[in-house]
Amino acid sequence: QSVLTQPPSVSGTPGQRVTISCSGSSSDIGSNTVNWYQQVPGAAPKLLIYTNSQRPSGVPDRFSGSKSGTSASLAISGLQSEDEADYHCAAWDESLKGVVFGGGTKLTVL
Amino acid sequence: EVQLLESGGGLVQPGGSLRLSCVASGFTFSNYWIHWVRQAPGKGLMWVSRINSDESTTTYADSVKGRFTISRDNAKNTLYLQMNSLRDEDTAVYYCARPKSTGTTAFDLWGQGTMVTVSS
Repeated sequence: QSVLTQPPSVSGTPGQRVTISCSGSSSDIGSNTVNWYQQVPGAAPKLLIYTNSQRPSGVPDRFSGSKSGTSASLAISGLQSEDEADYHCAAWDESLKGVVFGGGTKLTVL
Repeated sequence: EVQLLESGGGLVQPGGSLRLSCVASGFTFSNYWIHWVRQAPGKGLMWVSRINSDESTTTYADSVKGRFTISRDNAKNTLYLQMNSLRDEDTAVYYCARPKSTGTTAFDLWGQGTMVTVSS
């Protein structure tokens, strides 16, 4: 059972905007920044968003992140078929003294 | 090329031991904290352990504390994970991961992963 809570799945059609939520607590998201990873089947995760809303070089601006209190969200606009993947949120947990992840959200592009 | 390359996975019986390695190249390995993260089949990611640049600080997830030991050899650009008293629930792909910069746990570099299967 993961510390951070994400919906198991979301879906959308090409061109749509979808959001993925990530809920935590005062010891993780409430105290630290949130990072998001994209993972396609059979591959290692890829850093998608760091420090709540920053995009690494090469990540399209269709991807955006935000954080408020003990929750965060990832938004993907102009949905494309290649966006179909699993998305994981993560944050440092002050009480566990480790990184905590969400259970992952599978995005399906219909 | 900047990369991490894990090895050492395999099939092991419950109660057995295994040592994973992660070789770094293309960057100054000794400047970075390095972490282990695992992913059980069909499940989400789970942080396992971390070690700082000079090995003076190590941290573990509660589920592996006392059974796993993280270490590194900066002269060989290599990270290790010694896994003892393995359990069925340790079955997973194990990744080593490097933070984007000091003071963050945003992992911008991951290895390809090595599969550990604990089964009789």
